[in-house]
Amino acid sequence: NAGVMQNPRHLVRRRGQEARLRCSPMKGHSHVYWYRQLPEEGLKFMVYLQKENIIDESGMPKERFSAEFPKEGPSILRIQQVVRGDSAAYFCASSPQPGAEETQYFGPGTRLLVL
Amino acid sequence: DQQVKQNSPSLSVQEGRISILNCDYTNSMFDYFLWYKKYPAEGPTFLISISSIKDKNEDGRFTVFLNKSAKHLSLHIVPSQPGDSAVYFCVPRGAGSYQLTFGKGTKLSVIP
Repeated sequence: NAGVMQNPRHLVRRRGQEARLRCSPMKGHSHVYWYRQLPEEGLKFMVYLQKENIIDESGMPKERFSAEFPKEGPSILRIQQVVRGDSAAYFCASSPQPGAEETQYFGPGTRLLVL
Repeated sequence: DQQVKQNSPSLSVQEGRISILNCDYTNSMFDYFLWYKKYPAEGPTFLISISSIKDKNEDGRFTVFLNKSAKHLSLHIVPSQPGDSAVYFCVPRGAGSYQLTFGKGTKLSVIP
């Protein structure tokens, strides 16, 4: 019973490159959430997706960031033209349903370092 | 905007004693509260939760207390074990909301 899987676990990019972070939710889960944790901070909500739909991207920076959750395959968080301030841990979570008492299960995170 | 405050960045407790982790929040729209535990290089793991209609929820060694009028909650771990050493996040949620609001966390160290 695999949990939420994220890859890569560590990613190093130079300024101006693109970063692609992947998330496979738990089996049977169709709701995916992305969070970002900056150094010395708590996790901050970025975006909530269902299959082929972005439900809420209110926490995502307006430029350079995009997310998708295609019908087949993992959810992708894409950061174009990365800058040093994008260095952070990016966590994906999934749940079978959204809702007030639905637990979100987190993956191990991708640690992005921008040089 | 710090809607969730965990004022103790770290806490050290002797094995077998009680650990008390505190959390204050400002948003009165929060009505469901979760605690997550996080080990280094791993994602947060759900630990225990409490609904705003209750003032206490217990699960084994873990008990969460909620004081809505004071907008304060606390997590008690007794007896504390070395394996409990981790960062603990207080995570409130608004009614019907899926967005989790994480505090900065408290790093608990349980000393054998």
